Formats: sequence, C-alpha cells, structure tokens
Amino acid sequence: GAVVSQHPSRVICKSGTSVKIECRSLDFQATTMFWYRQFPKQSLMLMATSNEGSKATYEQGVEKDKFLINHASLTLSTLTVTSAHPEDSSFYICSASPRTEFISPQHFGDGTRLSIL
Amino acid sequence: AQSVTQPDIHITVSEGASLELRCNYSYGATPYLFWYVQSPGQGLQLLLKYFSGDTLVQGIKGFEAEFKRSQSSFNLRKPSVHWSDAAEYFCAVGTNAGKSTFGDGTTLTVKP
Repeated sequence: GAVVSQHPSRVICKSGTSVKIECRSLDFQATTMFWYRQFPKQSLMLMATSNEGSKATYEQGVEKDKFLINHASLTLSTLTVTSAHPEDSSFYICSASPRTEFISPQHFGDGTRLSIL
Repeated sequence: AQSVTQPDIHITVSEGASLELRCNYSYGATPYLFWYVQSPGQGLQLLLKYFSGDTLVQGIKGFEAEFKRSQSSFNLRKPSVHWSDAAEYFCAVGTNAGKSTFGDGTTLTVKP
C-alpha cells in the first residue's frame, strides 16, 4: 500500500538552530502534502498545505517565516523550522495521498519528535 | 468550517469486552469520515473510512463504524477488544481536497 516516509524521526538541538524535516511518498506521487503539529495528549493541528511547484498554504496563526515549506518534487516536501526555540518543541507529522485519489484518506508519516533545548 | 467532537477523552475496557468510541461531526456537505489509530510516538494508521453508500463500514483489525446522518455521528465499534488495541483513536472529517479536521482523540486503555 501507499507509504509515506518521514525523516528524521527524532531531533534534539539547541535553541536558534534551524531544523529540516523531510516527507517522502515512497510509491506514489503527491501534488499535495500536509504538515501537522501535535502537542502531547492533543489532536493534530493542520499547519499548512504543501503544493508541488507553488507556494504552501498556511493555516491561520502559523508563521510562514518560521515554518518554511518546500515541495520541490511530486514525492518530497520539506518543513524547515527556522531559528527554533523551546516552544517549537513538538511532534510534527506529514501526510499525503496519491494524486490519482481525488478524495483522501491521507497516508501519514511516522512523525518527527522535535526537542529544542 | 468542519469540526469533529469526540466526547470521551479516555475509555477503559476489559480485554474481550465490546468497545464503542463516539464521534460527532459538523460539515455543510456530504462528509468524508475517517477513523485513525495512533500508537505512542507513531504516525496515524487508517482504520476505516466512509465516503458514501452502505452506512456500516468495515475496517482493519476487526473495527467497524456506522454513519448516522440524522445524528451527525460516526461511532467506532469493536465486538471484542484485544490488549493490543490500546492506543489513541482519532475521528476525522475530510474534504475532497485532502484536508482533514481531527477530533481531540480518545485514549483507549485495555484492562487484562
């Protein structure tokens, strides 16, 4: 079945560092991918929609300059947390669907645990 | 805008007992409904989905869900719970553009 790979699975870094997270669709092409943030014991909050070949669409309240998204190919989207601070520590999850499937469900990556010291 | 409510934050059941997790949604059009399961530190796995047709849908791991339009509900059920079912369960409503809105989740604990 469709598989989404997310890398790295865990990152621990110092405050002020920029961190890049990759989301790859392994056996299908995805014109759209989604980035979510999940706080402990809470639900997934959609941060942005990553669109291949164009700008990402950010949800209200999400800082575009803080969370840079690039969707350079049909199988790869990256989320860069710029100048990360402790409050950016969270679980980040991406999702994607094959472009031939007009309707979701999404296939989710295993998430990235980001810890900023 | 769509929204999802999962009234039960935490449910505890004994192994072998039946399970029902509640989900209510709000959406202006025909909803696309999903149930996902998440183990600690992992991503989400799709259990089942409803797009149209038969209102009782079967999923993986012995789960089923029933769509009731009159009640705006999509409750998840399993006749006999196994210890490995302990996890976080999320109900979601999706659009045909792939965007999904999730409920706050229900934590399932299974007693031996």
